[in-house]
Amino acid sequence: GQQLNQSPQSMFIQEGEDVSMNCTSSSIFNTWLWYKQDPGEGPVLLIALYKAGELTSNGRLTAQFGITRKDSFLNISASIPSDVGIYFCAGQLRETGNQFYFGTGTSLTVIP
Amino acid sequence: EPEVTQTPSHQVTQMGQEVILRCVPISNHLYFYWYRQILGQKVEFLVSFYNNEISEKSEIFDDQFSVERPDGSNFTLKIRSTKLEDSAMYFCASRVSGQGADYEQYFGPGTRLTVT
Repeated sequence: GQQLNQSPQSMFIQEGEDVSMNCTSSSIFNTWLWYKQDPGEGPVLLIALYKAGELTSNGRLTAQFGITRKDSFLNISASIPSDVGIYFCAGQLRETGNQFYFGTGTSLTVIP
Repeated sequence: EPEVTQTPSHQVTQMGQEVILRCVPISNHLYFYWYRQILGQKVEFLVSFYNNEISEKSEIFDDQFSVERPDGSNFTLKIRSTKLEDSAMYFCASRVSGQGADYEQYFGPGTRLTVT
C-alpha cells in the first residue's frame, strides 16, 4: 500500500504556541484530508483540500495542499489543551477512485 | 447533526469464531468504508462499497472478510473465523458522493474487537 509519512511523530508544546506538521508521499494525490483522533474514538475530519496550492482554514487550523501534490501541511495557531490528540493526514490517489490512505500520525501534547 | 453509528462498541470473541460488526452510515451517503486500526498504529483501509458492491479492497481484506448492506440503513463487516491478529479497532466511514467536497469521509466511533 501507499506510504504517507507524517512528521514529526510526536510533539510536546506549551499552551499558546503554534504547531506545524506535514505529510509526505512519493505518489501524487488528488485529495488531502486532515483528521484528529482522540483516544478510543474515531477520527474527526478537520480540513479537506482538493487543489494543488490550496490553503484552507478552519478556526485556528490552516492546511495546505502542496504544489507538487505529494505533500500537505497542517498548522495550528495558539494551541490550547483540547488540541491534544493524534493528527492524521489521509490522501486519495489520482489514479484510484475510492481508497484513502492514512498517514502514520502526529501525536500532539499541549502543556498548560 | 447526523453521524455514523457503530455497534457494538466492544466485542470480545474466541479465536475461530465469526463476528459481525454493524454500522449505520449517514442517511444520504452513498459510499461506505471499513477501516481498522491496530492499537497504536495508523488507520488502514479495508474495503469500500458503492451501489451494493465492493468497489475497492486492500490486501488485508481476504476471504475471511465480507461486507453487506442487508437493508437500506445497515452496513456490516463479517469476519468468518477470527484470528488473534484481527484484534483492532474497526471503523466504519461514509461519504456522500465522489465529487468535490463530497469526498469528505465521516467516521463512526469504532468497534473494539478483542480476539482471545
